[in-house]
Amino acid sequence: EDQVTQSPEALRLQEGESSSLNCSYTVSGLRGLFWYRQDPGKGPEFLFTLYSAGEEKEKERLKATLTKKESFLHITAPKPEDSATYLCAVQAGAQKLVFGQGTRLTINP
Amino acid sequence: DTEVTQTPKHLVMGMTNKKSLKCEQHMGHRAMYWYKQKAKKPPELMFVYSYEKLSINESVPSRFSPECPNSSLLNLHLHALQPEDSALYLCASSQEGQPNTDTQYFGPGTRLTVL
Repeated sequence: EDQVTQSPEALRLQEGESSSLNCSYTVSGLRGLFWYRQDPGKGPEFLFTLYSAGEEKEKERLKATLTKKESFLHITAPKPEDSATYLCAVQAGAQKLVFGQGTRLTINP
Repeated sequence: DTEVTQTPKHLVMGMTNKKSLKCEQHMGHRAMYWYKQKAKKPPELMFVYSYEKLSINESVPSRFSPECPNSSLLNLHLHALQPEDSALYLCASSQEGQPNTDTQYFGPGTRLTVL
């Protein structure tokens, strides 16, 4: 069965304190791994798509990496506005995403 | 432009009401999705339309009825809902048809409350 596990469930950091979020997955035939950011009461905002092991993508203070078993979302020198829930999802079959439970990130000023 | 719009933003309805949620995208995407999201949980897939045809129904109760009038529009008709159906309803779209075009872009959601 396709499965996605995100850790930690919640993370509190001080402004400027870099860290990483983990997304471990088991899937038969990975078609893509996706990272989204979600603010309370709003829809998920697309961040990155990764397709193959070794791939990396960056956007401002965020960098996503992918191996054959997991993905990391690295946050460098975060700011309070980076506080959100970060969702990881994998696509195994056509059109179906399997989501992790998310990591709630809080950045204290 | 990767915008998906949803109306209304908020909806309060009684269990005997009939209402509809609307979703629109102008990115030329050929797949559109409805998700339901409860608090502190990830989105759960409800329906998928591909090239305007229903391709996936995740065993959703018949009180939810999807409709895809054209490739840009997606509706979700609601009838005789239960209080436990209260949730954030999300619409998403993806390009389809080409390799590596599976990224789903989400709308802002409709917050539904059933009294």
